[in-house]
Amino acid sequence: SQTIHQWPATLVQPVGSPLSLECTVEGTSNPNLYWYRQAAGRGLQLLFYSVGIGQISSEVPQNLSASRPQDRQFILSSKKLLLSDSGFYLCAWGQGVVGANYGYTFGSGTRLTVV
Amino acid sequence: QKEVEQDPGPLSVPEGAIVSLNCTYSNSAFQYFMWYRQYSRKGPELLMYTYSSGNKEDGRFTAQVDKSSKYISLFIRDSQPSDSATYLCAMSAIGTASKLTFGTGTRLQVTL
Repeated sequence: SQTIHQWPATLVQPVGSPLSLECTVEGTSNPNLYWYRQAAGRGLQLLFYSVGIGQISSEVPQNLSASRPQDRQFILSSKKLLLSDSGFYLCAWGQGVVGANYGYTFGSGTRLTVV
Repeated sequence: QKEVEQDPGPLSVPEGAIVSLNCTYSNSAFQYFMWYRQYSRKGPELLMYTYSSGNKEDGRFTAQVDKSSKYISLFIRDSQPSDSATYLCAMSAIGTASKLTFGTGTRLQVTL
């Protein structure tokens, strides 16, 4: 069965520090991978998605970047965190079936607080 | 105007009640519709999936899609305290790298 791992669960970082969040998927190949951020009262905001190794699409201009160094690994990074980067970050995978969408499986999330 | 609108609640109901959760949307290209349940401090989990219009039932849950009105619903019968969570609707169009657009979520509280 497919599983998705996301870590760390909680992170408190000072303003201006770097960030690296990692997500890995097991039990599937060539998944579509997504990074979302969830802020209170604002729902889920798509940050990045990837349909293959090295292929990253950015949805929102921001202080963050993403990379996909391996088929089932997705990394969210920042060189210098801002207070506005605080939030609940969720990684998700979906099967890349052309013309269909069967929904995502989400990781357990990382709660980031920038202080 | 947001592409997907969802009443944030909170919605409080007694145990055993029928719950109705709804979303409206503006993008007529949306074809895939989902409902996710999210417990506090957890990732969302997929509850129901529907393609195009119609109804789908799974146990106590029924999802309805009315594309002519751009309106989707989730009904929960015989609600339980364990149903207390935030419910998010999500939808996507064909050929968009399977990107989902989410509603902001409705917080549901089922009381004893």
